[in-house]
Amino acid sequence: EIVLTQSPGTLSLSPGEGVTLSCRASQTISRNYLGWYQQKPGQAPRLLIYSTSSRATGIPDRFSGSGSGTDFTLTISRLEPEDFAVYYCQHYGTSPLFIFGGGTKVEIK
Amino acid sequence: QLQLQESGPGLVKPSETLSLICSVSGGSIYSGSYYWAWIRQAPGKGLEWIGNIYYTGTTNYNPSLKSRVTISADTSKNQFSLELNSVTAADTAMYYCARHVKPGYPPFVYFDYWGQGTLVTVSS
Repeated sequence: EIVLTQSPGTLSLSPGEGVTLSCRASQTISRNYLGWYQQKPGQAPRLLIYSTSSRATGIPDRFSGSGSGTDFTLTISRLEPEDFAVYYCQHYGTSPLFIFGGGTKVEIK
Repeated sequence: QLQLQESGPGLVKPSETLSLICSVSGGSIYSGSYYWAWIRQAPGKGLEWIGNIYYTGTTNYNPSLKSRVTISADTSKNQFSLELNSVTAADTAMYYCARHVKPGYPPFVYFDYWGQGTLVTVSS
């Protein structure tokens, strides 16, 4: 079973700063099946990035994704106040079909 | 605009069965293009995929829950449901229903629509 490990667990940053979040898979996975979600308190997750680097509909271009093999990243170029949230990576694979990373919380410093 | 709405008891006793319904509006679950899924999130924890269903009735379950889970669909009501039996406190979570595109080409197997979630507490 593939495991997705996200790091760090929490980041404390100020608006305007840039940030890169990490998602590491326990074995090589396809770029086509790695995505990122944003979750704000009291809300359902929202799809940000699919297929490693494609932005979902309506997602601003300050969000970008990259990676291959076992190492994937989500970068927010300049944090806006609405970007402080928890971010999850997700992989579509075999068994279980869908797995999520443990999440990275981006909090206001 | 597609909307999903979970409903069901917010409190379930240990050893009993958790039953939830996801009502879909603005689109039909009787579509060959999508799967319909359940995902849960324990308080303060991450996301866990429970399983999904296709309009034909084909289901897939997370092996960690497979022995206790049943997902079914009622296309006449445009709803799908979750049953989780023999619940314990560890099953206390926010339960979300969601949609993903049927695996194929181009590859896009992500949850693009979600319900708002419903909190289920397992307690006597």
